[in-house]
Amino acid sequence: SQQGEEDPQALSIQEGENATMNCSYKTSINNLQWYRQNSGRGLVHLILIRSNEREKHSGRLRVTLDTSKKSSSLLITASRAADTASYFCATVPGNQFYFGTGTSLTVIP
Amino acid sequence: DTAVSQTPKYLVTQMGNDKSIKCEQNLGHDTMYWYKQDSKKFLKIMFSYNNKELIINETVPNRFSPKSPDKAHLNLHINSLELGDSAVYFCASSQETFGQRRRFYGYTFGSGTRLTVV
Repeated sequence: SQQGEEDPQALSIQEGENATMNCSYKTSINNLQWYRQNSGRGLVHLILIRSNEREKHSGRLRVTLDTSKKSSSLLITASRAADTASYFCATVPGNQFYFGTGTSLTVIP
Repeated sequence: DTAVSQTPKYLVTQMGNDKSIKCEQNLGHDTMYWYKQDSKKFLKIMFSYNNKELIINETVPNRFSPKSPDKAHLNLHINSLELGDSAVYFCASSQETFGQRRRFYGYTFGSGTRLTVV
């Protein structure tokens, strides 16, 4: 079974609002990564958080990791229409990547 | 077992050689991908391919070429291998429905091929 499960599966917000996506996983990890995919394209990495980190920022992105709850969240602040995409968390136990089913984010202009 | 399988798992070769990595999926997915894992452990898209469209990341050297004999296979050919090509390469597949609404149902990844160019 897949390691990462994103929640919600779909999210629709107005431009300028914040978007929060959550990811839960099952086993211990070395790191957790968030990716985004625009329709028809491959994955583009956004941010990596290591198992000994609790929070990380990159531009308008903020990622948290709670290893005790085996969960992570991705916050996109001040969303833009261009943020419309699918977002995936990937857990990396060892050298293998496991992706969840993703959260489809729609930002309405 | 339903899966994405890629072979070989390890490949050691000399500079200048031409090599191929094979990928097969029996999931009935309509889209396949090749990714390269970079030095920071991120995945970088190289190609995505379905029956209708090949999308190539413009940063990929033209020494790399995908070959798809059918929907279930997407092989990666690399000509004139260079030291900098050493990396782990991952094949993946996904199902994307087309029509009025395009949806995406998530990825299945292969276990990776570690390429070492000496």
